[in-house]
Amino acid sequence: NAGVTQTPKFQVLKTGQSMTLQCAQDMNHEYMSWYRQDPGMGLRLIHYSVGAGITDQGEVPNGYNVSRSTTEDFPLRLLSAAPSQTSVYFCASSQNLQGEYYGYTFGSGTRLTVV
Amino acid sequence: DAKTTQPTSMDCAEGRAANLPCNHSTISGNEYVYWYRQIHSQGPQYIIHGLKNNETNEMASLIITEDRKSSTLILPHATLRDTAVYYCIVRVGNYGGSQGNLIFGKGTKLSVKP
Repeated sequence: NAGVTQTPKFQVLKTGQSMTLQCAQDMNHEYMSWYRQDPGMGLRLIHYSVGAGITDQGEVPNGYNVSRSTTEDFPLRLLSAAPSQTSVYFCASSQNLQGEYYGYTFGSGTRLTVV
Repeated sequence: DAKTTQPTSMDCAEGRAANLPCNHSTISGNEYVYWYRQIHSQGPQYIIHGLKNNETNEMASLIITEDRKSSTLILPHATLRDTAVYYCIVRVGNYGGSQGNLIFGKGTKLSVKP
């Protein structure tokens, strides 16, 4: 029972480089999302997906792309990294149930530094 | 989503109950109250949620006032490992586009002291 797996755990990028942060879950959750957390701040929603083939923007989507080709995977792409994207990134998933809600499961995070 | 107000920080003695308050005076009738916590730099962890009745699980109890404008998370016997940032969040229970998302504030930093 791996839960939500994020890779890599740490990454240093140069300004202008691109990269993909990976997120995979093995719980057959339909809902997945990406958050970023800056020092001393709460989490801010970047993008989310309510199922394979369906994605939408959150609070801070600029500079990030996502896709959801399978239920298990929800990668986050930085096309041209900027120092302002230095942050800790968390992926989360949840069952998509009618009615009551059972809580998000978060990954352990990817710590990204853009120099 | 309704906004929540939490104290920035709180202290609690080890072994005592920790009572974390949250105000959500503009909560709507179909919005639930959720609590998460984040220990050091880990990903947030779900604790408990409720609509209008008090709730209890193995981690904590949630007390919601009758008018639903405020709530209290209770950790009955706090330990040093409960030191964390605690987030109170309100949102609708059903998924429905952006209404299904969790919006985090800054939370309450709880320090449990020996």
